[in-house]
Parts: sequence; C-alpha cells; structure tokens
Amino acid sequence: DGGITQSPKYLFRKEGQNVTLSCEQNLNHDAMYWYRQDPGQGLRLIYYSQIVNDFQKGDIAEGYSVSREKKESFPLTVTSAQKNPTAFYLCASSTGLRNQPQHFGDGTRLSIL
Amino acid sequence: QKEVEQDPGPLSVPEGAIVSLNCTYSNSAFQYFMWYRQYSRKGPELLMYTYSSGNKEDGRFTAQVDKSSKYISLFIRDSQPSDSATYLCAMSSRGGNTDKLIFGTGTRLQVFP
Repeated sequence: DGGITQSPKYLFRKEGQNVTLSCEQNLNHDAMYWYRQDPGQGLRLIYYSQIVNDFQKGDIAEGYSVSREKKESFPLTVTSAQKNPTAFYLCASSTGLRNQPQHFGDGTRLSIL
Repeated sequence: QKEVEQDPGPLSVPEGAIVSLNCTYSNSAFQYFMWYRQYSRKGPELLMYTYSSGNKEDGRFTAQVDKSSKYISLFIRDSQPSDSATYLCAMSSRGGNTDKLIFGTGTRLQVFP
C-alpha cells in the first residue's frame, strides 16, 4: 500500500540533545512537508521541499533543520536550539502540482525528559 | 484575528444525527478548501476537497463553500460512533511556488450510541 511512514511513533529528548524524526513516502510525490501540532492550535508549517536537494523554511523553522537527499525521504532534526520541542510532528506529501491536497503520516510525538 | 476560525467543541451528538461543522476565514485569496478527519494519536486523513462555491457530496459527507461569506461547512448525515474524531478545515492560497495550507484548530466531535 502506498503511504507515508513516520518513525518513531514516540521520541524522548534530553536537554541539549538533537533528535531526528524520519519520514518516508512511497507515493512518488515530489513535495514533502513538516508540521507541528500543539493543543488548541492549528498545524504550523516548519519546512517544506518541492524537489530533491531543495527545501524552504515555513512559518516556524527556528530550531529545526531538514534535508532532502532522496525523493522518498525528508528527515527533520529538532536541535537543542528549539526550546519548546514537545509537540506532535506530522509529515505530509503531495504531488507538488498546483492546489493538490496533502496527505499525512501518523505522526511522531516528541517529549522532553 | 486568525486567518481561519474554527470552534474547538467538543460537539456531542447521538448516533444518527446530522452534524454540521464550520469554519470562517478572512483571506479572500483562499481558493481551495479541504476537510480532514483526525483520530486520536493519528495523522489527518483527507475527507473532502473542494474549489468553487457550492456543494460537494461523498457518501454521508457534504462539503459546502460560500466564498461571498467566507464560510465553509461539512455536514455528516446519519452520524456513527466511528465518526468520533477531530475535524480540521484547511485552505490553500498560492505561496511562492507552492501551495501553503492554513489549518483551523479543529472541532472535536463525539457521537454517542
């Protein structure tokens, strides 16, 4: 079945530690996205990538980094500079064509130890 | 003022009821409108995707867009306990070379037997 796989499902970070969240898709989509979801707030865009080896900052990129070395993969690193990292992180993808909907993975919940 | 406003609920209804979920928005540049369903600890699942003003029906779900009032709705007929979830509206406008989705905060729906 085609879809988006996020791992791990749960992740714990110690103070001063960088952690990397995995996102893999087999939908042959060109565009991939990372969102953060907090209680009482809508999804907020962290980074997005329309094509391999290219990515753009979203609305809340500070303290995060990404790479897009392969079409299928778009990992997100939460760095120690992100002071409030506890949240539900969602990866999405789309064809990249104009006005096509985004499809989501099942998320990674990150907590601070 | 947020670009997209959505009542967080919870909305509690008996099985078989007709459910009406709504979002208002302020940006007249929004062109495409989506409804996602999100179960607890899962990623959002695309339910409906509409463009122009008017109605779009898919099974028990009807999406309605009124661009003149900047108001969208999702109706669920013959609601089932399995419809209990959070419903997110999302809208897109062209941002740079890609579409940015702006999400509502979500309405939590509970359908009791």
